[in-house]
Amino acid sequence: SYELTQPPSVSVSPGQTASITCSGDTLGHKYVCWYQQKPGQSPVLVIYHDRKRPSGIPERFSGSNSGNTATLTISGTQAIDEADYYCQAWDSSTGVFGGGTKLTVL
Amino acid sequence: QVQLQESGPGLVKPPQTLSLTCTVSGGSINSDNHYWSWIRQPPGKGLEWIGSIYNSGSTYYSPSLKSRLTISVDTSKNQFSLKLSSVTVADTAVYYCARGGEVEQNFDYWGQGTQVTVSS
Repeated sequence: SYELTQPPSVSVSPGQTASITCSGDTLGHKYVCWYQQKPGQSPVLVIYHDRKRPSGIPERFSGSNSGNTATLTISGTQAIDEADYYCQAWDSSTGVFGGGTKLTVL
Repeated sequence: QVQLQESGPGLVKPPQTLSLTCTVSGGSINSDNHYWSWIRQPPGKGLEWIGSIYNSGSTYYSPSLKSRLTISVDTSKNQFSLKLSSVTVADTAVYYCARGGEVEQNFDYWGQGTQVTVSS
């Protein structure tokens, strides 16, 4: 079965840039979404189609996808961005989520 | 604004069947270019896609759950449902329903989630 691999944790200082990676076989040939989940809350879509932002998502969130790796980048990271982040893609009509990355804003 | 709300028992005994319903408001479950999905999250763990149903009636299930899973739609009630049979403690999780976009290939609206505990 298809797998997406994320680092368990990423730390960033306020105002700096955070990068969260998601790896999978030929992932660049698939569309990747990213979801933000804060404790006790439902996930929120922050990036779809690799790099598109839904309405209401701040411009500091951006995405890219090439080769075997997709990346979520948060520029000028704020304390409110501290959360778990999950990548997601489709493989043969099967939904696949990465294991999640806990972003800590120190 | 589309809203989704899960409902169903919070406690299920093994090896009974877990049944949940998702009620959609603010939009039609018959809307073109959308699919309706179930996703779960075991305690302290990550998200797991369970399955999706399209307006055509086509269903797609997680290979690991396929033998125990049924997802269906009731258009008259604007609801879709999940049935997972022969549950074990490993099925304990927060269960989310979500709407997906066929073009966008995302999950753009989520329910608040419902905790289901499997215990005798």
